[in-house]
Amino acid sequence: DAGVIQSPRHEVTEMGQEVTLRCKPISGHDYLFWYRQTMMRGLELLIYFNNNVPIDDSGMPEDRFSAKMPNASFSTLKIQPSEPRDSAVYFCASSLAPLNYGYTFGSGTRLTVV
Amino acid sequence: AQKITQTQPGMFVQEKEAVTLDCTYDTSDQSYGLFWYKQPSSGEMIFLIYQGSYDEQNATEGRYSLNFQKARKSANLVISASQLGDSAMYFCAMREPHTGGFKTIFGAGTRLFVKA
Repeated sequence: DAGVIQSPRHEVTEMGQEVTLRCKPISGHDYLFWYRQTMMRGLELLIYFNNNVPIDDSGMPEDRFSAKMPNASFSTLKIQPSEPRDSAVYFCASSLAPLNYGYTFGSGTRLTVV
Repeated sequence: AQKITQTQPGMFVQEKEAVTLDCTYDTSDQSYGLFWYKQPSSGEMIFLIYQGSYDEQNATEGRYSLNFQKARKSANLVISASQLGDSAMYFCAMREPHTGGFKTIFGAGTRLFVKA
């Protein structure tokens, strides 16, 4: 298996533009998570899905952020409109259901909003 | 409320020596999992080791071991025989049941520097 695949690896965009981050989880994994990492706030859970259904989006900072998982092999995180404070590394991770199963993280998308 | 506390922002260790990275946690659940992840300078997050709340023995994975003290709510990572490649950021994390599934929260991390 190729692991969790995220695209793009790097994204530079201008304030106000729409940004879409993509994630392909490991086949067979029940859970998909979106995290954001910044120096100030560390790793924050934004939203997670169980069997393609959003379970908890309480970490999504604002209505500007939205996430979808239309099928078991694809998820998107969209920011519209983007702002400079959204600059961060965004990680997607997937996992099997058992409590003892560690996450497999993607390589992350480094987003810079200028 | 902060649930995972890593009090050491940075640690130095001499190559080939052992090092302990501290982690304390807070939860009211009886069933939970504790994890450690490594993040090298390249940025990826790597799962290292897991400890279940009901496990009576400390988890071990190669040179990594988890010193689990349930009553004290601590889950320290011990790295034996440190190598230069162990220089990285280390995150303690807790996965606990949540309505509809599970969620994992991470500590702030400890940056480990291994000296030659």
